[in-house]
Amino acid sequence: QVRLQESGPGLVKPSQTLSLTCTVSGGSISGGSFYWSWIRQPAGKGLEWIGRLYTGGSTIYSPSLKSRVTISVDSSKNQFSLKLTSVTAADTAMYYCAREGEGADYWGRGTLVTVSS
Amino acid sequence: DIQMTQSPSTLSASVGDRVTITCRASQSVSTWLAWYQQKPGRAPNLLIYQASRLESGVPSRFSGSGSGTEFTLTISSLQPDDFATYYCQQYNSYSPFSFGPGTKVDIK
Repeated sequence: QVRLQESGPGLVKPSQTLSLTCTVSGGSISGGSFYWSWIRQPAGKGLEWIGRLYTGGSTIYSPSLKSRVTISVDSSKNQFSLKLTSVTAADTAMYYCAREGEGADYWGRGTLVTVSS
Repeated sequence: DIQMTQSPSTLSASVGDRVTITCRASQSVSTWLAWYQQKPGRAPNLLIYQASRLESGVPSRFSGSGSGTEFTLTISSLQPDDFATYYCQQYNSYSPFSFGPGTKVDIK
């Protein structure tokens, strides 16, 4: 059973960088043909796809966030990470990591990140 | 980029009703389309992938259809556990993925 767990600061100051890590257990992040993705959801709103990392290392980001987002992998730790620079209050949301193949079949429980001074 | 729309945004229904939600893509996504159910405080749960394939463990009252730019999710007989918000997602591998805005199914 694949499990994903998000971790990182719950509070980030405006203009700073949001950094989150997703730890994968029950399967290798390097195995199979999967995408490892970040998705966020502001309170009371819909899902916003942020970006994905392919097991081969390539990445694709949402056009609306592309200039501020980096997703990277640490295969030795079976983790992948999200960095979002120059955050504002609009980046306050629940952040989920997920495994995507034919749809996102495994999700983390999510971590709430608040942007506030 | 591929934009997704859903209709209706809210749907009021009763237990036992047949419910249909529509999802449209701004350009063809072939059958690279998934449907999710989300309940408050929970991560989304995959129901349907490849437009019409039922994810393992999902009740057979859920079904999906469509291809190209127009898709539907149907719940054949709404159950109490089905009151939730439903999202479609396109996952065309040549472009960024994207979600529809969601359809909330609530009790009539």
